[in-house]
Amino acid sequence: AQSVAQPEDQVNVAEGNPLTVKCTYSVSGNPYLFWYVQYPNRGLQFLLKYITGDNLVKGSYGFEAEFNKSQTSFHLKKPSALVSDSALYFCAVREMHRGSTLGRLYFGRGTQLTVWP
Amino acid sequence: DTAVSQTPKYLVTQMGNDKSIKCEQNLGHDTMYWYKQDSKKFLKIMFSYNNKELIINETVPNRFSPKSPDKAHLNLHINSLELGDSAVYFCASSQDRARGYTFGSGTRLTVV
Repeated sequence: AQSVAQPEDQVNVAEGNPLTVKCTYSVSGNPYLFWYVQYPNRGLQFLLKYITGDNLVKGSYGFEAEFNKSQTSFHLKKPSALVSDSALYFCAVREMHRGSTLGRLYFGRGTQLTVWP
Repeated sequence: DTAVSQTPKYLVTQMGNDKSIKCEQNLGHDTMYWYKQDSKKFLKIMFSYNNKELIINETVPNRFSPKSPDKAHLNLHINSLELGDSAVYFCASSQDRARGYTFGSGTRLTVV
């Protein structure tokens, strides 16, 4: 079974400091991993994904994520946080069905990121 | 040219009423989903359709009934609304497993 854990409900950082939002996953095969961001009263927006290849994935708004197979982690990072990055962040893993192109996304419970000036 | 659009954006209704939420995507995706986001922001999948065929039906009360007239539309009908149905409902679509979802902006349902 697939699952995603985001161990921190909240992350608080000062503007200009680096930020990390943690995510660990559990899948039976190779994972497809995603990060989404949700701003207040908005839908989820795609940030970045890992499918295969380079373990460091770059995405929107200066975010990046590092895939670590041995630690089954896919932490979201940004070198210098902005106040406007304050939002709810979701990690997700795509279910793999052999011989099928279908499969749901399993979401973590979300991490509220607050960047203070 | 909104990719996934939901209507209405807000819905306030009384207990016991029946209501529908509509979703349309213009991305040409084959698969569409309904998710419920509760007050703690947890996202729970409800249904998924692929080319008008129901492929995921989670443990959802049978008061909830999805309908997909074509692969670009997935509507959600809710009968006999209860207070606990209050949540934000998101529609999403996707094309293949190497891609993520494209989400609608959500429908905030409030049952009073």
